[in-house]
Amino acid sequence: NAGVTQTPKFQVLKTGQSMTLQCAQDMNHNSMYWYRQDPGMGLRLIYYSASEGTTDKGEVPNGYNVSRLNKREFSLRLESAAPSQTSVYFCASSEGRGRGPAEAFFGQGTRLTVV
Amino acid sequence: AQRVTQPEKLLSVFKGAPVELKCNYSYSGSPELFWYVQYSRQRLQLLLRHISRESIKGFTADLNKGETSFHLKKPFAQEEDSAMYYCALAGNQFYFGTGTSLTVIP
Repeated sequence: NAGVTQTPKFQVLKTGQSMTLQCAQDMNHNSMYWYRQDPGMGLRLIYYSASEGTTDKGEVPNGYNVSRLNKREFSLRLESAAPSQTSVYFCASSEGRGRGPAEAFFGQGTRLTVV
Repeated sequence: AQRVTQPEKLLSVFKGAPVELKCNYSYSGSPELFWYVQYSRQRLQLLLRHISRESIKGFTADLNKGETSFHLKKPFAQEEDSAMYYCALAGNQFYFGTGTSLTVIP
C-alpha cells in the first residue's frame, strides 16, 4: 500500500520557470491538501480539495494553481517560480471530516529550490 | 477562527527528563486533535489522536476543553524522541501549528 506518493523528490528551478508537482493517493480519500514547510513557519496550507472537482485556497495560495484531476490525483503548479517559493512541499490526504477518520496521511515531500 | 498555537519553537531536555510540548487551539465546534511527528528529513506521521486516547512511544495527550489545550507529554524522554512535533486540528481543513523542535540531550 503506497499511501501518498509525490513526485519529484527534489527540484531546482530558475526564476521564472514553471513546473508541476504531482501527488497521488491510493486510499480512496476524498480530501487532499498541499502544504509548504518553511523554517519557523511550520506547515502552511496552500490549497486543498475537499472532494473531486472542488478546490479551495488555503493560507498562502498566491503564485500557485492546483488541479484535482480525479479522486486519486491532486497537482500543484508553479507558473513562474520565484525564490520565495523555495520550500519543502508536502501533499496529504484524508477521508474528510464527517466521512470517517480525519487523520491526514502525508507524502514524502518535494524539496524545491528556486535560484 | 480555527487556529492551533504551539508557543515553543525549540525545546531541549535531557534524556530521562519529563517533556511537555504545549498546544492550544481555538475552534467553534467539537475539535478533532492530533499530534504529528517528523523525524529528520522524513514525512510527517501521525503520533496520536485525542479520540483514541492511546499512548504511542510513551507519549500521551489529553484534550482539555476548558483550557482549549492538547499538550503532549512523556515522563522520560529518549534520544530517539528528537524530532519536530506538530499539533493539528481537523475542521473543514487541517490546521497545523508552527511546530516544536524537540532535542533530547544525551
